[in-house]
This record gives sequence, structure tokens and C-alpha cells, in this order.
Amino acid sequence: AQSVTQLGSHVSVSEGALVLLRCNYSSSVPPYLFWYVQYPNQGLQLLLKYTSAATLVKGINGFEAEFKKSETSFHLTKPSAHMSDAAEYFCAVSANSGYSTLTFGKGTMLLVSP
Amino acid sequence: DTEVTQTPKHLVMGMTNKKSLKCEQHMGHRAMYWYKQKAKKPPELMFVYSYEKLSINESVPSRFSPECPNSSLLNLHLHALQPEDSALYLCASSPPGQGIFGQYFGPGTRLTVT
Repeated sequence: AQSVTQLGSHVSVSEGALVLLRCNYSSSVPPYLFWYVQYPNQGLQLLLKYTSAATLVKGINGFEAEFKKSETSFHLTKPSAHMSDAAEYFCAVSANSGYSTLTFGKGTMLLVSP
Repeated sequence: DTEVTQTPKHLVMGMTNKKSLKCEQHMGHRAMYWYKQKAKKPPELMFVYSYEKLSINESVPSRFSPECPNSSLLNLHLHALQPEDSALYLCASSPPGQGIFGQYFGPGTRLTVT
């Protein structure tokens, strides 16, 4: 079975500071990993995905994530936080099947202060 | 067209009502999903349709009845719901391809059962 663990239900940063959201995965096969963002009362938007092509993945809105097999991690980073980045972030792993069922982490709420 | 649409945005219904949620995508995706999301929790998978056939039912109560009339449309029929069914209902779609593409989510329907 595959799973992801997100460390920290809340992360607080100041505007302009580095954003680091942590995700560790467990998978018996090479995983497909995803980060999604959810703004209040909205659906989930795909930020980026790892599909084994490159270990450093760049996504939308200046976010990137690095796949580290030795650490079973896929942490999300952004060099400089904006107020508009405040949202819930979900890490997810995909089952390797004919359709992409996702297993989500519990989510991390990013709070950005001025 | 790169989006998943859902109607209505908000729905309030009594416990004896019958209502339906609608989801539509025109990206040619052949897998479609229904999720239920409670506040401050990750989405929980309810149903998966693959090529218009129900592939996964995550032991969802029969008061929720999914339907996939064609490859672009997914409905969720609701009947005799309970107050604890109040939640954000998300629809998603994905291309076929062993989980590599992730899922594309709609904005959701906020359901309140009174």
C-alpha cells in the first residue's frame, strides 16, 4: 500500500521568507507524487508532479519540489512567500493502476504574515 | 478546454429531498471521480468511473448514487441524506495512463443537509 505523511498541520512564514512544506512517502514501487493547493471554498489545483523524469520538479506559482529516494521525501519549497500563497497544501501519491487513484496526506495549512 | 465544471456551487437540501450534483469535463479524460471533503480534511474518494463503467465504490451508502451517462458527464444523485453528509463534494477527472497524470479537480459543490 502507498501512503504519504505531511509533517506539520500548520506552517507559518513571513512574506518574503522561504516556504518549506514536508512530505514523506511510503511505496513498494516507484511512486508518482503530486502536490495540490486548495484555496478556501475551492477545488484542488495541481501545483506539480513527479513522474520519474527529473528529481527536481518545477511547478506553477514559483513552487518546486525535489524527489529524494534515499529520504523517501518530496518536500515543496518556494524561495519567497507571497500573501496569496496562504492556502491548504496536499501531498498525494498515485497508485500505479489503469486509473490514477490518489492517496492524500492530511494537508498542511500555510499561513503567511505581512 | 482544460477545466472540470461542477453545478451547483451551493446546495441546501432537507433530509427527505432528492437532488443531483453534476460534473462535466471536455478534456477527453476517461476516468472520473467523486470525492467528499469535510472541513480541514483531505478529500475522501467515493467513486471511480473508468470508460463510463463504475470501477470503484468505496463502500459509500446507497443514499449516494453515481451515474456516468457519457464520457464527459458525471452525476451524483442524492436521496434521504443525513446532516453528517454535509460537505464539499469534489469531482475530478484524469487521462488514462497508469496514474502518471494526476487528477484535475472541479471547484466543488458545497452541500448542506438540514
